[in-house]
Amino acid sequence: DTEVTQTPKHLVMGMTNKKSLKCEQHMGHRAMYWYKQKAKKPPELMFVYSYEKLSINESVPSRFSPECPNSSLLNLHLHALQPEDSALYLCASSQDTGNYGYTFGSGTRLTVV
Amino acid sequence: GNSVTQMEGPVTLSEEAFLTINCTYTATGYPSLFWYVQYPGEGLQLLLKATKADDKGSNKGFEATYRKETTSFHLEKGSVQVSDSAVYFCALSDRPYSGGGADGLTFGKGTHLIIQP
Repeated sequence: DTEVTQTPKHLVMGMTNKKSLKCEQHMGHRAMYWYKQKAKKPPELMFVYSYEKLSINESVPSRFSPECPNSSLLNLHLHALQPEDSALYLCASSQDTGNYGYTFGSGTRLTVV
Repeated sequence: GNSVTQMEGPVTLSEEAFLTINCTYTATGYPSLFWYVQYPGEGLQLLLKATKADDKGSNKGFEATYRKETTSFHLEKGSVQVSDSAVYFCALSDRPYSGGGADGLTFGKGTHLIIQP
């Protein structure tokens, strides 16, 4: 299995809703990442988990809450989002340092109404 | 800090034309360099990579050489096809001088490539 699987592919949520994005990989990768991508922009790093511990938080607002239940799963919990949070959310994984490549999922297209 | 600079598009070419997309970088450690491609509505796919100076990455007719002396990693293809139309991102992953750890990718702004039949 050489894929990163993200669910759901599309999500529409209201500003008072609570939802979660899910990411799964079975490549034995020990680092997992959340990126946010706005239209016509490059992905922006949000969080890095290394060996199931949060190692990087790029000053992301607390309405985004990551969770890594085990080495294969990564969640992003969403609460009280704003319309400007609408974007493509990408999950990626890599071997421990990432210097040999990152595998990206196809993303969740999030719309906040 | 780390940064990647690449030509922004859109770049419009005719089918079978020669392609070059320039990419230069700054990094504090020993970076690995990548080209990723993104088709409309999809995630990013790794196109090719190089992990040390003078390495050449190649895939699907695309190639790029890691040039430490010019801090560059230009993407080239000899004959493009309509199916190559996509957004191309140059990126780096830096290794610190000591220790390790995952640090994520630093991306360029992306180049939108349009190939006309």
